[in-house]
Amino acid sequence: GQNIDQPTEMTATEGAIVQINCTYQTSGFNGLFWYQQHAGEAPTFLSYNVLDGLEEKGRFSSFLSRSKGYSYLLLKELQMKDSASYLCAVRDSNYQLIWGAGTKLIIKP
Amino acid sequence: ETGVTQTPRHLVMGMTNKKSLKCEQHLGHNAMYWYKQSAKKPLELMFVYSLEERVENNSVPSRFSPECPNSSHLFLHLHTLQPEDSALYLCASSQGPTGAGGNTIYFGEGSWLTVV
Repeated sequence: GQNIDQPTEMTATEGAIVQINCTYQTSGFNGLFWYQQHAGEAPTFLSYNVLDGLEEKGRFSSFLSRSKGYSYLLLKELQMKDSASYLCAVRDSNYQLIWGAGTKLIIKP
Repeated sequence: ETGVTQTPRHLVMGMTNKKSLKCEQHLGHNAMYWYKQSAKKPLELMFVYSLEERVENNSVPSRFSPECPNSSHLFLHLHTLQPEDSALYLCASSQGPTGAGGNTIYFGEGSWLTVV
């Protein structure tokens, strides 16, 4: 079966750096997405990786290794507003999105 | 503010009631989706409409009935639901049924459904 694994919850300190990992086993691969979801709000798009390597976008970066079935989302200079759930999703060979259960990130002062 | 709006935001219904969730997208997309989000579980795709035709129905019980009258509107009709159907129901849209390339899916803020 297809599976996306990410930690259930992580805690980090304001101003620090945190890395949220995502591993996947899917039928084919056509891109990996990261979404941010604040409590009670819509998931919003953060990043898209289809080739190996690091994509940087401001304080957020996303890394992909297709050979390892692995990605991470790196958040720098953490702010309290970064407290949210982070969803990893992989598009498989049928162009269906397979979702992880999300990682709840708690930022402490 | 998102380009996908859902109403109602909160709904409490009895198991014998009939209600509907409404979704409207203002992004000019041609594909719309219903997802179910339960606590600590992955998003579950329920239905996909592309160009107003249903292209995906992931073994969803018949007590959930989608309707897509045009490319901007999507409904989810609910009847005789069970308590385990209580969840957040998210509507989404994209350009193309699966969001080709880096095209992303845009979500509404969801409708919180409680079945009592």
